[in-house]
Amino acid sequence: AQSVTQLDSQVPVFEEAPVELRCNYSSSVSVYLFWYVQYPNQGLQLLLKYLSGSTLVESINGFEAEFNKSQTSFHLRKPSVHISDTAEYFCAVSRTGGTSYGKLTFGQGTILTVHP
Amino acid sequence: DTAVSQTPKYLVTQMGNDKSIKCEQNLGHDTMYWYKQDSKKFLKIMFSYNNKELIINETVPNRFSPKSPDKAHLNLHINSLELGDSAVYFCASSSQGRGETQYFGPGTRLLVL
Repeated sequence: AQSVTQLDSQVPVFEEAPVELRCNYSSSVSVYLFWYVQYPNQGLQLLLKYLSGSTLVESINGFEAEFNKSQTSFHLRKPSVHISDTAEYFCAVSRTGGTSYGKLTFGQGTILTVHP
Repeated sequence: DTAVSQTPKYLVTQMGNDKSIKCEQNLGHDTMYWYKQDSKKFLKIMFSYNNKELIINETVPNRFSPKSPDKAHLNLHINSLELGDSAVYFCASSSQGRGETQYFGPGTRLLVL
């Protein structure tokens, strides 16, 4: 079984400051890693994902995450946040093999609040 | 031209009633999912269908029954609703394959009184 732990339930930050949202996972098999974002009263949208290759992945709106296999982490970072980044962020994993492909196991979510 | 749509958006009902939530995707995806998000925002998969075949069935009470009439639709029927069923239910879809991005609907907010 897989599990995902997001170490911070809430992260307040000022606009234009850097931010890091932490995610650790546990799995006995290899996994793919995802970050999804949920804006208020909306469904989730993919922010970025790691499947293979370079351990640093980037999104189109300036977020990046680095897969660290030895520390089983996939922390999300942004060097300068905007008010519009205020949302809840979910880290998730799915197995790379087996029959239940596509099953996402989510962390508890981190609410990012950007203050002016 | 909504990619994944759900109806209704809000559902308020009494305990013991039976209700259905509908989901449709126009992305041409083969795989569809139902997730439940509880009051603490924790998201957990319930079911997954691939080409109308059930492939994931988590530990969900058998009062919940998914139905996929075709690969563009995945409906969720809930019998004998209980207070604990109050949650936001999200439908999602993806292409078949590993590591594919899942596209989520806007959610159905169910409140059982």
